[in-house]
Amino acid sequence: SYVLTQPPSVSVAPGKTARITCGGDNIGSGSVHWYQQKPGQAPVLVISYDSDRPSGIPERISGSNSGDTATLTISRVEAGDEADYYCQVWDSTTDHLVFGGGTKLTVL
Amino acid sequence: EVQLVESGGAVVQRGGSLRLSCAASGFTFNRYAMHWVRQVPGKGLEWVSVISWDGGRINYADSVKGRVILSRDNSKNSLYLQMSSLRPEDTAFYYCAKDSGPTADAGVFEFWGRGTLVTVSA
Repeated sequence: SYVLTQPPSVSVAPGKTARITCGGDNIGSGSVHWYQQKPGQAPVLVISYDSDRPSGIPERISGSNSGDTATLTISRVEAGDEADYYCQVWDSTTDHLVFGGGTKLTVL
Repeated sequence: EVQLVESGGAVVQRGGSLRLSCAASGFTFNRYAMHWVRQVPGKGLEWVSVISWDGGRINYADSVKGRVILSRDNSKNSLYLQMSSLRPEDTAFYYCAKDSGPTADAGVFEFWGRGTLVTVSA
């Protein structure tokens, strides 16, 4: 089965840039979606199709996808960005949806 | 406003059965694929199952295949997950999620419900 690998945690100071990676075999050949989940809340879509921002998501949040790594970038990090972030793909070889293990973003 | 409201979560014994429901409103339900995603408290997200707009295509995660049945009633704007032979490892919050398209292979969750908790006791 297809596996997506994320770092368990990323820490960043306010105002700096956070980069959260999502590794997968040739992940760049498909589309990656990203979700933000804060404690006690349902996940929220923050990036779809590698780099598209849904309505209401700030421009500080962006995504890229190439080769074996997709990256979620959060610029000018704020305290309110502290959350768990999950990458996700649809694996067409198994017709299964796959989530990465999640990354906890801590704002120092 | 899109709303997804899950119900049916409960405490059940190992080997028991449960039926989860998801009531949808605020969008044209019969135009979209729908998914169930679960999350053990404090752990990551795990996809469970998807059903296409017309119910013609259904896929299940290996962890639940053979033990759950996903269905929908477009006349009632409702999604159902019939779960049987439940195990302690099925304990989790179960979320229903709306896909961005009608087929089962888009997998973009624009909207999520707030979840319903299933607890399977050993």
